[in-house]
Amino acid sequence: EIVMTQSPATLSVSPGERATLSCRTSQSVNSNLAWYQQKPGQPPRLLIHGASTRATGIPARFSGSGSGTEFTLTISSLQSEDFAVYYCQHYNNWPYTFGPGTRLE
Amino acid sequence: EVQLLESGGGLVQPGGSLRLSCTASGFSLSRNAMSWVRQAPGKGLEWVSALGSGGDSTYYIDSVKGRFTISRDNSKNTLSLQMNSLRAEDTALYFCASPFIQSPANKFDCWGQGILVTVSS
Repeated sequence: EIVMTQSPATLSVSPGERATLSCRTSQSVNSNLAWYQQKPGQPPRLLIHGASTRATGIPARFSGSGSGTEFTLTISSLQSEDFAVYYCQHYNNWPYTFGPGTRLE
Repeated sequence: EVQLLESGGGLVQPGGSLRLSCTASGFSLSRNAMSWVRQAPGKGLEWVSALGSGGDSTYYIDSVKGRFTISRDNSKNTLSLQMNSLRAEDTALYFCASPFIQSPANKFDCWGQGILVTVSS
């Protein structure tokens, strides 16, 4: 099983600032990496797939990069609605696994 | 609008069984790869089981293998998760999903709101 780690666990930022979230995998997942946003009481929302492709309807302030074992999600200018928990998830092979999440506050 | 609606959750004693159902609207489940993802209270996400778009391939995480069964009823446009020998650690909010990333057959990303399963005596 591929182990996912995310850092930091919590990121304190202000609206308008840039946020950089990191994800590392225990072995290469190529570019089979997705990022999700989750708000309380809601299901996850797909932001990025293929490590760097924005999902349909996702604003351009969200961008993803990386391949292999090191990945980054960047939110260029935080909006109030962006404060949530962010999960990375690989789908390179079964079992698919999620990282523990980064909370933006 | 595409939607997924879960049902069948509730409180069950350890060792008991429960069957979750997920009904799709706005699209046909038969063509999509489907999954169940769970989230224990206050915890992160765990991808529990997956079903391929062809319906023949099934996947389970080790902790539920032999206890959970994922299946699809195309005539009812419904996905199910039969959960037997339930344990306290199975307590979670269970999401039904047609995840975009699971298969090229999935043209969109769709998740239900989740259904709570509580395993407790």
